[in-house]
Formats: sequence, C-alpha cells, structure tokens
Amino acid sequence: KAGVTQTPRYLIKTRGQQVTLSCSPISGHRSVSWYQQTPGQGLQFLFEYFSETQRNKGNFPGRFSGRQFSNSRSEMNVSTLELGDSALYLCASSLTAAWEQYFGPGTRLTVT
Amino acid sequence: AQSVAQPEDQVNVAEGNPLTVKCTYSVSGNPYLFWYVQYPNRGLQFLLKYITGDNLVKGSYGFEAEFNKSQTSFHLKKPSALVSDSALYFCAVRGFYGNNRLAFGKGNQVVVIP
Repeated sequence: KAGVTQTPRYLIKTRGQQVTLSCSPISGHRSVSWYQQTPGQGLQFLFEYFSETQRNKGNFPGRFSGRQFSNSRSEMNVSTLELGDSALYLCASSLTAAWEQYFGPGTRLTVT
Repeated sequence: AQSVAQPEDQVNVAEGNPLTVKCTYSVSGNPYLFWYVQYPNRGLQFLLKYITGDNLVKGSYGFEAEFNKSQTSFHLKKPSALVSDSALYFCAVRGFYGNNRLAFGKGNQVVVIP
C-alpha cells in the first residue's frame, strides 16, 4: 500500500506570495492532519480533517487554511507569506481520529 | 488541553546499552499514547501506541514502552541500542473526549555512541 505523499517536496517563495501544498493520504484513510515543524517551535498542529470536515484547528492565523476533498486528498494554503512561515510542513493520515497517524515526507517551504 | 513533556533535550547512550527516552503527559480522561521517530530530512515514522490493555507495549525495531497511569508516563525503551537508532524521538498524546487532537512533545535527540 502506498504511503502518504506530499507535493511539492521543496518550495521557495517570496514574502507576500501565497502557496498551496498537497497531501494524498494512504488509501482508505479518511483523517488527514497538518503540522508545521521548525527547529525553534517543534511540531505544531495546524488542522485536522475527517470526511471533508475540519474537526480541529491549531493556533495559527487565518492566513493558514486547508480543505479536504471527497477522495480524502487534502490541501493547505498559506497566503501573504512571511519569513517565519519557513518550515517543514507535514501531512499525516489515519483510518480514524483515534488511530495512529502515518506521516508523509513533508514539504520544505523556504520564504525569502 | 492535552500536553506532553519530554524533559531531556538529548539522550546519549553507548551502543549495546539500554536506551530510555522519557515522556510524561497530561490529558482529560483516558489517553491514547504514541511514539514516533524522525530521521534527518524525513517525516515521522510510527513506532508504537498504547490505547488500552497491557501496560507494556511492544513496537517496531525492538522498541517498547511502558504506560504508567499513576505517574502519567509513557517511557520508550530499548534493551540494546544500535548506532542506527540515532534520531529524533517524539511522544504524543490524544484525549478520548473533547478536543482530541494529537499533541506532540518537543522531541528528544538520541545519540548512540559506537
């Protein structure tokens, strides 16, 4: 069974631009979560989707948004990029909210 | 809200010696507990979980963890560390009720010395 895939793997953007990251969960998994990982803040929860509904949201500004499609694929969008948004963005999927999450390799976003 | 504490920034251990990575948690109600490992420039890999049942949980790559409800701890252990175990280890907890998002600790860097 294929693992969680994330595209693109690497991205360089300029301040003020916007970016969309994509995540394809493991087949059959309906829950998708997004995390931001930085050396200073560690792993921070962004949001969680289950069957196209956002179930949980972390403490990030409204510039960070996401959605989930009927095939469970998910996207997250960051508008008006700031230097501090440079991070590894990780997507994880699970069968349901209670089960273990399986992580993708991440998208490394660099904002210049 | 649920939270995890991993008190040590780095754990150094000689190859062949026992490895322990500490984790304590805070959550309302019964916890779901997880350990993950991250190698450089990679995503997190699931090691093991505790949902219910035996307090000693066995996972991948020879790792195990012991759930202690009274001490709210879930320490990760391996009887004999390998150099290839050098990585970043994360403990995570999820509550059974309410806002049940997964909360991660800050991670512990494990260095296994040959």
